[in-house]
Amino acid sequence: EVQLVETGGGLVQPGRSLKLSCVASGFTFNNYWMSWTRQAPGKGLEWVASITNSGGSTYYPDSVKGRFTISRDNAQNTLYLQMNSLRSEDTATYYCTRYDYWGQGVMVTVSS
Amino acid sequence: DVVMTQTPVSLPVSLGGQASISCRSSQSLVHSNGNTYLHWYLQKPGQSPQLLIYRVSNRFSGVPDRFSGSGSGTDFTLKISRVEPEDLGDYYCLQSTHFPWTFGGGTKLELK
Repeated sequence: EVQLVETGGGLVQPGRSLKLSCVASGFTFNNYWMSWTRQAPGKGLEWVASITNSGGSTYYPDSVKGRFTISRDNAQNTLYLQMNSLRSEDTATYYCTRYDYWGQGVMVTVSS
Repeated sequence: DVVMTQTPVSLPVSLGGQASISCRSSQSLVHSNGNTYLHWYLQKPGQSPQLLIYRVSNRFSGVPDRFSGSGSGTDFTLKISRVEPEDLGDYYCLQSTHFPWTFGGGTKLELK
């Protein structure tokens, strides 16, 4: 059974950093691209970042480029999202996704 | 960026009835490899999104045949026949042909 379990969310002040983790199980992790998608409270879905199966290439929308970094550790079956210079508009539930399977999500609140 | 225009925003339906959701893209979603990366998701209240249809018309594992996807180029449709209570929630289309990946704004399927 495919499982994606995110951790690392919480309350953080504007301008500070936070790192999310996602532990994957039930499939061969290094065979798949992985992504992060977020959902602000009461809003729709927004793609945040993707990484190729080897980790050699990463992709971001302009809204987070230069502030967020996606990475992976294939030996540990773990996906990461390093979020720097956080803004109030980054407040959202962050989902780890293989695009066909999604984690339960982790809440990030950016507020002073 | 590819803009995904999803309509309607709200769709009241009767149980046992039929629903149709449209997703139009601002440019063709045909990839240079010939595939069209247009997918449909359902997000039930309080849950993570779940994949229903991938690459326009392919039902994901376990998805009932009441769900069908069609379309090409820039115009896509999700149809739900014989609506059941567990079908209620928010539906999203996603294009992953072009970076940045973009979602439609969502359609809330609710009881009439």
